[in-house]
Amino acid sequence: SQTIHQWPATLVQPVGSPLSLECTVEGTSNPNLYWYRQAAGRGLQLLFYSVGIGQISSEVPQNLSASRPQDRQFILSSKKLLLSDSGFYLCAWTGKGSNQPQHFGDGTRLSIL
Amino acid sequence: GDSVTQMEGPVTLSEEAFLTINCTYTATGYPSLFWYVQYPGEGLQLLLKATKADDKGSNKGFEATYRKETTSFHLEKGSVQVSDSAVYFCALSDRAGGTSYGKLTFGQGTILTVHP
Repeated sequence: SQTIHQWPATLVQPVGSPLSLECTVEGTSNPNLYWYRQAAGRGLQLLFYSVGIGQISSEVPQNLSASRPQDRQFILSSKKLLLSDSGFYLCAWTGKGSNQPQHFGDGTRLSIL
Repeated sequence: GDSVTQMEGPVTLSEEAFLTINCTYTATGYPSLFWYVQYPGEGLQLLLKATKADDKGSNKGFEATYRKETTSFHLEKGSVQVSDSAVYFCALSDRAGGTSYGKLTFGQGTILTVHP
């Protein structure tokens, strides 16, 4: 069966520090991958998605970037974190084809001090 | 563009009460519709889905019917439990032109609290 892993689960970082969040998927190949941010008490905002290695699409302009160095690895990064980057970050995957639901990781709670 | 509108919460119910969370959508194509549930501190879990008009998705006592004529996908459960307390998200995936890349459009979420 397929599984998705995110780490770390919780992260506290100072303003201006770099960021790297990792997401890996097991049990499937060539998935579509997604990064979302969920601000406290609000819905989900799609940040990036990827349909293949090295292919990244950004949905909103921001301080973050994403990379997909391997088929089942998706990384969210920042060179300098802002206070507004605080939130709950969720990675998700879906198979190719229509009617495919997205499957989510357990998320990373990021607090910027 | 696509959009999903959920009833505003929070919703507070007593155990064994009937639950309805309204969801309506706007889409250019023929979307698939989903309900996700998020328990405190966790990621989202797929609760149920429907892929075409008049389909009924069901899981764990929850049901939702894809109503194309009213562009709705309301979530219902006949008797809620304390363990159902969570945030519920309605979402759609628009397959128009096959270029959606599986992206989902989410509603803002509805907080459900069930008291004993």
